[in-house]
Amino acid sequence: EAGVTQFPSHSVIEKGQTVTLRCDPISGHDNLYWYRRVMGKEIKFLLHFVKESKQDESGMPNNRFLAERTGGTYSTLKVQPAELEDSGVYFCASSQHRDSAAEQYFGPGTRLTVT
Amino acid sequence: LAKTTQPISMDSYEGQEVNITCSHNNIATNDYITWYQQFPSQGPRFIIQGYKTKVTNEVASLFIPADRKSSTLSLPRVSLSDTAVYYCLVGVRSGNTGKLIFGQGTTLQVKP
Repeated sequence: EAGVTQFPSHSVIEKGQTVTLRCDPISGHDNLYWYRRVMGKEIKFLLHFVKESKQDESGMPNNRFLAERTGGTYSTLKVQPAELEDSGVYFCASSQHRDSAAEQYFGPGTRLTVT
Repeated sequence: LAKTTQPISMDSYEGQEVNITCSHNNIATNDYITWYQQFPSQGPRFIIQGYKTKVTNEVASLFIPADRKSSTLSLPRVSLSDTAVYYCLVGVRSGNTGKLIFGQGTTLQVKP
């Protein structure tokens, strides 16, 4: 069974540019999560999809971040325009069940560097 | 979700048993205790979960005392490949809250 995949593995962009990160969850997992770790900080929740609907987007830092999950399969996270403080590792995870005690399967992450 | 406290780092040697204790004094009645492991350049990976007493799987054991205000992850006979960050999380079993709240975790360094 294929795990959660993320693309790209690493992205380097200049401040002000746009970047789109992609996450492919495990097939059949309705729940998809985005997290990120910025330098020196803890892994922080960004948002949670149940199928194509945003269940919880309380962790999205500001309106420069836009997440979509059209069709309830893969998801994209767009940062526009990128700022220096957006640098970090962005993780995607998926799960069969929506509660926080359910096992979440994480992808390897996308390392974003904004210069 | 209950806050957790665990040591920032630990050192061990190959073949030793490692115990990492996590405090969660304000754990709620319906909260489960879950541990994740993260290797460098990878995402966190679920390793074990429990509610009370003891849980054991092929990777680790989880000891939870009766008051559930703490838990101990036990890794038997660690090897160099067990060098990783270990996170203790406490969350609700049911409901709409899906997000995980990570603390700093415990960085375990296994030495030869």
